Amino acid sequence: EVQLLESGGGLVQPGGSLRLSCAASGFTFSNSAMSWVRQAPGKGLEWVSAISGSDVTTYYANSVKGRFTISRDNSENMLYLQMNSLRAEDTALYYCAKSGSGWYRLDFWGQGTLVTVSS
Amino acid sequence: DIQMTQSPSSLSASVGDRVTITCRASQSVSRYLNWFQQKPGKAPELLIYLASGLQSGVASRFSGSGSGTDFALTISSLQPEDYATYYCQQSYTTPPTFGQGTKVEIE
Repeated sequence: EVQLLESGGGLVQPGGSLRLSCAASGFTFSNSAMSWVRQAPGKGLEWVSAISGSDVTTYYANSVKGRFTISRDNSENMLYLQMNSLRAEDTALYYCAKSGSGWYRLDFWGQGTLVTVSS
Repeated sequence: DIQMTQSPSSLSASVGDRVTITCRASQSVSRYLNWFQQKPGKAPELLIYLASGLQSGVASRFSGSGSGTDFALTISSLQPEDYATYYCQQSYTTPPTFGQGTKVEIE
């Protein structure tokens, strides 16, 4: 059974940092590209970042480029999102999602971890 | 970035109704179009991939069609468990982009 379990969310002040984690199980983690997708309260879905299975290639939304860093540890089946210089508009539920084929056929999502940026 | 526009933004329908949601891309995405269902308080679930492929485990009353810039998600006979928000997403290019969502409510 595929499982994705996010953690690391919380309340942080503007300008602060947070590191999200996603523990994966039930599939061959190193074979799957992974993404982070966020959803602001009451709003739609926004893709944030993606990383290849081999950890060689990464992509970012313009809204987070230069502030967020995606990484993974295939030996531990873990996905990470380091978030720096956080802004109020980064407040959202952050989901990790696995790709079933290619980069963005997101065929399984975790339940999300909530990030709140507020003073 | 490719803009995805869904119609309508919300709709009310009864159990048993045939429901169609449309999605238009600002430029061609070939058939790289996916549909997701999201229920309140839950993560999105993939329903349809590559415009018309039915994801494993998804009920056959869901179907997708289209190519290029115009796509549709059809629920042939709406069931109580189908009340949710539906999103289209293009996976043709980076960044992948989502439609704004269509909320399907009980009439």
